[in-house]
Order: sequence, then structure tokens, then C-alpha cells
Amino acid sequence: AQSVTQPDIHITVSEGASLELRCNYSYGATPYLFWYVQSPGQGLQLLLKYFSGDTLVQGIKGFEAEFKRSQSSFNLRKPSVHWSDAAEYFCAVGPRDFNKFYFGSGTKLNVKP
Amino acid sequence: NAGVTQTPKFQVLKTGQSMTLQCAQDMNHNSMYWYRQDPGMGLRLIYYSASEGTTDKGEVPNGYNVSRLNKREFSLRLESAAPSQTSVYFCASRGLAGDEQYFGPGTRLTVT
Repeated sequence: AQSVTQPDIHITVSEGASLELRCNYSYGATPYLFWYVQSPGQGLQLLLKYFSGDTLVQGIKGFEAEFKRSQSSFNLRKPSVHWSDAAEYFCAVGPRDFNKFYFGSGTKLNVKP
Repeated sequence: NAGVTQTPKFQVLKTGQSMTLQCAQDMNHNSMYWYRQDPGMGLRLIYYSASEGTTDKGEVPNGYNVSRLNKREFSLRLESAAPSQTSVYFCASRGLAGDEQYFGPGTRLTVT
């Protein structure tokens, strides 16, 4: 069965510190992979996506993610967190035909001044 | 270009009442989706429509019906609302294969 696991429900980091949010997936074939961000009361905004090719992908707002096939992981990173990054982050996987997506349960990021 | 729009933004229903959530996109996308978001559970797919004229069940379809009215519009209907359907509902659309989903702002539904 397909599933996405985000093991960290809440993370708190200090402004300026580095960030890594974990995502592991279980999927029969190589999926498409996504990270979305959701600010309170808002919809989801795409940060980045991986389809093929270079396993390190760059996204908006200074985020990057690395696809590791051997670990079935797609972790999100940012070298220096800003207060405006406080939000909830969702990892998602989808099949190549894109008809069903699976989302992780989300990680809420709190940024300390 | 409004993207994906949803109406209403907020709704309170009593148990047993019915209502329809509306979704429209102006990006000429083929596929449209309805999700519900509950605390600690991420987004769960209710129904999707891969193209105009087709609809399919997702993970949690029970208690819901959908209509793909035309290419732009995809509605979600609750025939007899239950407190378990209290949630935030998101509509999304996608264009060609290889594109990501674009999300609407959500509808916050409370069933008392």
C-alpha cells in the first residue's frame, strides 16, 4: 500500500539555524515527489518537486530536497531559516499517471526569534 | 487569472442537512480533486476527476458525491451531513502529466 510518513509532527528551530524535514514513502514504483507549504488559514503552495534526473532539487524560498531511492526518502532542507518560514509542511507522492496523490500528515515548523 | 476558487469559505451545518461545495478553475486543467484535511492526518483524497465526464473514488469517498459539471467546475455534495464530516475541504486541479496540483483556499465546514 502506498503511504507517506513524516515522522516529526512539530519542529522548533531558531531563526538563522538550518532545517531538515524528513519524508519517507512507500510506493511500488518510482513516484513523483512534492513538498508543499501551508500557512495558517491558507491553501497549499508548492515548494518543489522531483520527477526525474538530478536527485537534488531546488525550490522556492531557498528550499531544496534530495531524493534518495535506496532510503525511499525525500527530505526537505534549508540552510538558514527565516521567521516567515513558520508554517506546516507536507510531503506528497503521486503515481506517474498522477490520478491519486498521497500526503504525509504534515510537520509544523515553529521559528524562535 | 484567479486559479482555483472555492465557495463558500465557511459553513456550519446541522446533522442531516445537505450542501454542495463549489470549485472552479480557470487554468484549463483536465484533472480536478477534492481533499479533506483533518488535524494530524494530512490531506486525504475524497474524489477526483481525471477529465471532463469522469469521476473516481479516492481514499475516503463515503458520505460524499461529486459532479464534474464541465471542464472548469467540480462540485462536492454532502447529502446528509454528519459530525465526522467536520473538516477543511480543499479543491485542487492539475494540467498535463508532469504538473503539480494547484490548490484552492479551502472551505471550513462544521457539522453540529
